[in-house]
Amino acid sequence: SQQGEEDPQALSIQEGENATMNCSYKTSINNLQWYRQNSGRGLVHLILIRSNEREKHSGRLRVTLDTSKKSSSLLITASRAADTASYFCARGQTGANNLFFGTGTRLTVIP
Amino acid sequence: DAGVIQSPRHEVTEMGQEVTLRCKPISGHNSLFWYRQTMMRGLELLIYFNNNVPIDDSGMPEDRFSAKMPNASFSTLKIQPSEPRDSAVYFCASRHTPGPSYEQYFGPGTRLTVT
Repeated sequence: SQQGEEDPQALSIQEGENATMNCSYKTSINNLQWYRQNSGRGLVHLILIRSNEREKHSGRLRVTLDTSKKSSSLLITASRAADTASYFCARGQTGANNLFFGTGTRLTVIP
Repeated sequence: DAGVIQSPRHEVTEMGQEVTLRCKPISGHNSLFWYRQTMMRGLELLIYFNNNVPIDDSGMPEDRFSAKMPNASFSTLKIQPSEPRDSAVYFCASRHTPGPSYEQYFGPGTRLTVT
């Protein structure tokens, strides 16, 4: 499969804790993106990391990329109840406009 | 900008009926994508267009599905005839290419139920 695979499939944490989600993929990438989906809504882009980058930050989000292991992780620090959503990684390839989405991690943050 | 607009938001129809889903991409975006999301299969790319031209329709399940983009501001996804297994949420997304940002902007989706 060309899709990424997120791990874990579901994660439940207490508010204030950090949440880490992982994404693995099989083929080469130009970039890897993370999206968030609230229940009943469309996906919203969170952050993009290019293949020549190793780490990127945006607010409480931290993304790492290890191209040798073909894996990425998304860390959400100091989680809030409002972070409850599904999180997807998506792989982008050079010269291609389409993305290959993973299976998603369902995050529940308990107040 | 209003973002990607999809209509209808919900559609309930009987098996065998024709269903047409509509999408208006963000103005200025020249790539448009149709996805289908189900619990069993996750998010699947059905087809995407560049400058109104279909580039890759390998994700279209079968001949019952067809998509058109007659102009830069409108696209349709049609299912004829519809079947219960087509029940899913269908998303449209758009993106501006070329550009430094690769992100796609998703619409709110159309929840289709075929009985």
